[in-house]
Amino acid sequence: QKEVEQDPGPLSVPEGAIVSLNCTYSNSAFQYFMWYRQYSRKGPELLMYTYSSGNKEDGRFTAQVDKSSKYISLFIRDSQPSDSATYLCAMSDGSNYQLIWGAGTKLIIKP
Amino acid sequence: EAGVTQFPSHSVIEKGQTVTLRCDPISGHDNLYWYRRVMGKEIKFLLHFVKESKQDESGMPNNRFLAERTGGTYSTLKVQPAELEDSGVYFCASSQLAGTDTQYFGPGTRLTVL
Repeated sequence: QKEVEQDPGPLSVPEGAIVSLNCTYSNSAFQYFMWYRQYSRKGPELLMYTYSSGNKEDGRFTAQVDKSSKYISLFIRDSQPSDSATYLCAMSDGSNYQLIWGAGTKLIIKP
Repeated sequence: EAGVTQFPSHSVIEKGQTVTLRCDPISGHDNLYWYRRVMGKEIKFLLHFVKESKQDESGMPNNRFLAERTGGTYSTLKVQPAELEDSGVYFCASSQLAGTDTQYFGPGTRLTVL
């Protein structure tokens, strides 16, 4: 069983829609949760960073962590074609510097 | 501020050959990480440098991989001899502080072993 599960998609939605991206994980020791965005032929770029449970909002992006369910989400409001990319979740227990990654979800926003 | 740079962007070699990948971290970042993404799989941690010292190399797949960071600036990752299963994208990242500080990623080197 993978430590982090993420649906690879692709997920295709019309412009302006609310997008929901999710990851589940098995290691209850994870405390730090990140969402990265990766455009084609580029490296991952940090979007959101959350510690422990709760919500965090940054502009059109909201990250949620539910540690009791071992489930994290990224919501994108008013989605734009420029949001089309692969979104990767990553997490860490904080004891070392390794990030444990999901497979990434390919998101396509149709104009 | 210049980001993390990696060279080459793409390398195609034959099985048994040697390849050296280079990573230049963001200036002032003591922490440097190597990751790899094999086709269809998740990104996997390879190793972590603090300055010139290897802090954690638990993710290195085998002794065909050798990473160095002489002088604590740029890093190289050598694969010798390369095998077919080494194909993938090799990412380098750097951070100013260790632990859970934000890691900034380079664009990756796409390695194809034929």
